[in-house]
Amino acid sequence: GAGVSQSPSNKVTEKGKDVELRCDPISGHTALYWYRQSLGQGLEFLIYFQGNSAPDKSGLPSDRFSAERTGGSVSTLTIQRTQQEDSAVYLCASSFGHMNTEAFFGQGTRLTVV
Amino acid sequence: GENVEQHPSTLSVQEGDSAVIKCTYSDSASNYFPWYKQELGKGPQLIIDIRSNVGEKKDQRIAVTLNKTAKHFSLHITETQPEDSAVYFCAAKTGKLTFGTGTRLTIIP
Repeated sequence: GAGVSQSPSNKVTEKGKDVELRCDPISGHTALYWYRQSLGQGLEFLIYFQGNSAPDKSGLPSDRFSAERTGGSVSTLTIQRTQQEDSAVYLCASSFGHMNTEAFFGQGTRLTVV
Repeated sequence: GENVEQHPSTLSVQEGDSAVIKCTYSDSASNYFPWYKQELGKGPQLIIDIRSNVGEKKDQRIAVTLNKTAKHFSLHITETQPEDSAVYFCAAKTGKLTFGTGTRLTIIP
């Protein structure tokens, strides 16, 4: 497809387990963003990749969270030892370039930690 | 870093009337200001944007204004319709996108 694709769309996991969330950006987009959205809340910045530059990890809430982007395309957000407060929708967006260009979002992954 | 404030948090408007949502930002280096609409269970969808060299942009019933001196920008929706009901987010970009806290807009039929 032509849009940002995220998988899975829904994930239920037990507390303490690790999870991996995947984002396939729009082809050719060099910038990729991860955000977290708790129920009824705003968009909390997590991490930003731009080309080959070092990612901006300033939004990651703890060292249980990490993300990588392989080959400048697909990105994986990993949450280790999940906690109930990690339950949220995780949104990925991509854009062409890092300046004044449009960013497009995927539909998100709804993570529920039980 | 950038800080974006958005007001109001909720807004109810009679169908056919206009709605205005306002945002301020802190980083004068921000040069791109998009607005997103988010419907229940969906990802945010870009509806309009404005770049720092422009003061106003219109797209049918939607318009955005930008005042770089005062560091604020606004979304205007005219002739509102029930399908305009959603949560709207403003954002400012200096590389990464920083979002406002959102406005829940309800159009009353």
